[in-house]
Amino acid sequence: KNQVEQSPQSLIILEGKNCTLQCNYTVSPFSNLRWYKQDTGRGPVSLTIMTFSENTKSNGRYTATLDADTKQSSLHITASQLSDSASYICVVSPLTFNTDKLIFGTGTRLQVFP
Amino acid sequence: NAGVTQTPKFQVLKTGQSMTLQCAQDMNHEYMSWYRQDPGMGLRLIHYSVGAGITDQGEVPNGYNVSRSTTEDFPLRLLSAAPSQTSVYFCASRTGTEAFFGQGTRLTVV
Repeated sequence: KNQVEQSPQSLIILEGKNCTLQCNYTVSPFSNLRWYKQDTGRGPVSLTIMTFSENTKSNGRYTATLDADTKQSSLHITASQLSDSASYICVVSPLTFNTDKLIFGTGTRLQVFP
Repeated sequence: NAGVTQTPKFQVLKTGQSMTLQCAQDMNHEYMSWYRQDPGMGLRLIHYSVGAGITDQGEVPNGYNVSRSTTEDFPLRLLSAAPSQTSVYFCASRTGTEAFFGQGTRLTVV
C-alpha cells in the first residue's frame, strides 16, 4: 500500500473553473509535505512546501492545506488556466536522520480545456 | 542560471549495453539524487549523495552505479542494461527543503 495516495487519478475541468486535488498519507512522523507540478516531458517543479505545523500555504492561484491530525492535504487551484494542465504530485518527507528521503504519490493528472 | 542539466534527453539501448546518464548542477548544492519514474508509480530513489566523495543507495539501487567526484556532477551508470530499466530518470539537487529537478532522461531498453 502506497504511503502517499492521491485522488483523483485524473481530472478534466474547463478553463476558469476551480478544482481541488487530494492527498492522503500514512507517513508519520513527517518533516514536511510538498506539492509539485510536473508538465509533460519535464521534471517536477515545487509549488508549496509545508511543515507539519503549518495549515495552509499559497503560491499565486495555488493553495495547499494540511491537516496533520487526519493526515490529509489538498491543493486548490483557483480560476484554472490552460497552462495548469499537468500532473500534480504530493510528496511527504519523513522525519528521519536521512532528511533527503522523499515519498512520492503517483500524482493527479489535470487537464484544463478551453 | 541553468539549474540541473541532464543529458541525454532520450536514449535507446540494447539489452546488455552500458551507458552513463549525466547530471550537472550549477547551484553549489551538496545534496544530489537520482530517481526513476514509471507509469502508475511515484518517483523512486535510486542513489543519492550528500557531498563530493559520498554516495549511498536509495530504494531501488540494483543495476545502477553512481560516483560524485565533484560537487557539480553526479553521473548514473547502467553497467548492463535490462528491459526493466526502461523508465524516465530524473536527477535532483537540494538545498534545505527545496529540491530542483532536471528535465529527465527517457531511456528505453530493447
